[in-house]
Amino acid sequence: GAVVSQHPSRVICKSGTSVKIECRSLDFQATTMFWYRQFPKQSLMLMATSNEGSKATYEQGVEKDKFLINHASLTLSTLTVTSAHPEDSSFYICSARGQDTGELFFGEGSRLTVL
Amino acid sequence: AQSVTQLGSHVSVSEGALVLLRCNYSSSVPPYLFWYVQYPNQGLQLLLKYTSAATLVKGINGFEAEFKKSETSFHLTKPSAHMSDAAEYFCAVSAGNYQLIWGAGTKLIIKP
Repeated sequence: GAVVSQHPSRVICKSGTSVKIECRSLDFQATTMFWYRQFPKQSLMLMATSNEGSKATYEQGVEKDKFLINHASLTLSTLTVTSAHPEDSSFYICSARGQDTGELFFGEGSRLTVL
Repeated sequence: AQSVTQLGSHVSVSEGALVLLRCNYSSSVPPYLFWYVQYPNQGLQLLLKYTSAATLVKGINGFEAEFKKSETSFHLTKPSAHMSDAAEYFCAVSAGNYQLIWGAGTKLIIKP
């Protein structure tokens, strides 16, 4: 099946720094990618929808200046957590929609720990 | 509007016993329904999906789910639990626009 790769899988950073997470569709083109955040013992929360070549659409309550999303190509979307704080520590997951089938494929997730 | 309710944040079964994870949904349009599994420190993996074809859907690892419109349910079952099935399971619904509405998840615990 189609593969979505996220990098890095784990990252630890100091408070105030920025962290970039990449989401790549390895063997298919994805016009739409989604970014989710998962809090401990809770379900996934959709943060934003990323469309290639256009601005991301953010869900209510998600700060777009804090969570910068770029979808510059059909195989890559990036999420940058700017000026990270401990409360940003979480598990971030991306998914990509296959152009042909419309099926969603998920990345492995990236665990961010902000000290 | 759509929503998903998973009954039971934790379900514990003995190895070899039947696994039943409950999912009820609400949707104003014919839904697409999904079950995903998340193993510790890993991303989500699709177990199975219902997209208006057969109401009984077979997935990977011996799991299956039955779409019951009259009960607005899409419960996940497996006849015989294995230790490797221990994970968190998420039910999700979509209106076809590929954005998923997620349940809160059910953690499956397998007792030896």
